[in-house]
This record gives sequence, structure tokens and C-alpha cells, in this order.
Amino acid sequence: NAGVTQTPKFRVLKTGQSMTLLCAQDMNHEYMYWYRQDPGMGLRLIHYSVGEGTTAKGEVPDGYNVSRLKKQNFLLGLESAAPSQTSVYFCASSYSPPSGIYDEQFFGPGTRLTVL
Amino acid sequence: QQQVKQSPQSLIVQKGGISIINCAYENTAFDYFPWYQQFPGKGPALLIAIRPDVSEKKEGRFTISFNKSAKQFSLHIMDSQPGDSATYFCAAAIQGAQKLVFGQGTRLTINP
Repeated sequence: NAGVTQTPKFRVLKTGQSMTLLCAQDMNHEYMYWYRQDPGMGLRLIHYSVGEGTTAKGEVPDGYNVSRLKKQNFLLGLESAAPSQTSVYFCASSYSPPSGIYDEQFFGPGTRLTVL
Repeated sequence: QQQVKQSPQSLIVQKGGISIINCAYENTAFDYFPWYQQFPGKGPALLIAIRPDVSEKKEGRFTISFNKSAKQFSLHIMDSQPGDSATYFCAAAIQGAQKLVFGQGTRLTINP
């Protein structure tokens, strides 16, 4: 099993450009999450999904859109990138919600994005 | 109400010493408290978790202590080793909620 994979690993964008980050999981998990990690800020939730075809806003959703057309994939889009979106982005998945029996969130290796 | 405050931001401990990382929360509805460990260049991974029906949980050298009245919980790493050098995140969740709230992270360095 590959677990959670993220594509690409690194990306440099210019302000105003768009891009899509792809997250894939092969564990048949219902729940998927996109986080951003910034120094001193911890992990902040951008958007999440509780099943195929569903999405919901997290703590810092502005400037991002997501889609979950297939259960195994969760896409994060930046329509018009800004320098403030320079960050490391992590995708995670879990079988059940936090505090559930199978509560562990499995994280991907991350995507380092720089917006110039 | 949704915040989890973690301290210290960075910590240096000598090999063999005890590493202690603290977290505090305000929302009394939180009932699940995991700790995640992240090595450089990797994604976080679940280390240990506790629910408020117990005051302590131990797994090997790692212990979570939970103080419900003070709304605080902490991670203790006994006999700290250089391989424990990583960033540690505490987190919390409400029963039935669909997301975790993470602390700010602690960068732990164990000197040999």
C-alpha cells in the first residue's frame, strides 16, 4: 500500500498563477483533509471532505477550492496564487472522524509551494 | 474556543533526559487528545492519544498526562534519544466532530 501520496512534491509559482495539488489514498478512507503548515502556526485546516462528492471549509479556506469527485482523490486548487500562500501543504486521510474508533489521520509527505 | 495552545515552541534536551511539552485548551467539549510526531521532510504521524476518562496513558517511553480540571495535557518523553528529535503537535477534537484542532508545534532537539 502506498498510503497517502501527494503530487507534486515541490512547486514554484508566480503571483496570479493557478495550480492544483493532488492527494490520493489507497486505504478506502472516507475522510480527507488539506492542511497548511507554517512556522509557529502549527497545522491549519484548509478544507476537508467526509466522503465522495462532499467538501467543507476548514479554518483557513480563503483563496483555495477543493473537489472530491472520487473517493480516493482530494484535489486542492489555487485559482490566483498569492505570496501569502507560500507554505507546506499536507493532505491527510482517516477511516473515521477524530475521536472515532479508527481515528488516526494518515498524512502524505507534503508539497512545498513557493509563490513569488 | 477552538484553540489549543502549545508550549514551548522549541526545546533542547540532553540525551537521557526527560522532554516535556505542554498544551492547554479552553473548550470543555474536547474529548480526544492525540499527539503527532513529525520528522524533517515527512508528514506528521500519530504517536499517542488519550481520552479524558483517564489521567495518564503510557506507551513505551512516551506518556500523556491529562488534567481535566486545569484543561491541560502534556507529553513526557523519558530517556530522550537523538532519534526523538522531531516536531511534536498536540491536537484536540470534540466527540462527533469531523476535524482536529492542532497546537502550534514544538521543535524538540535531543543533544547526544
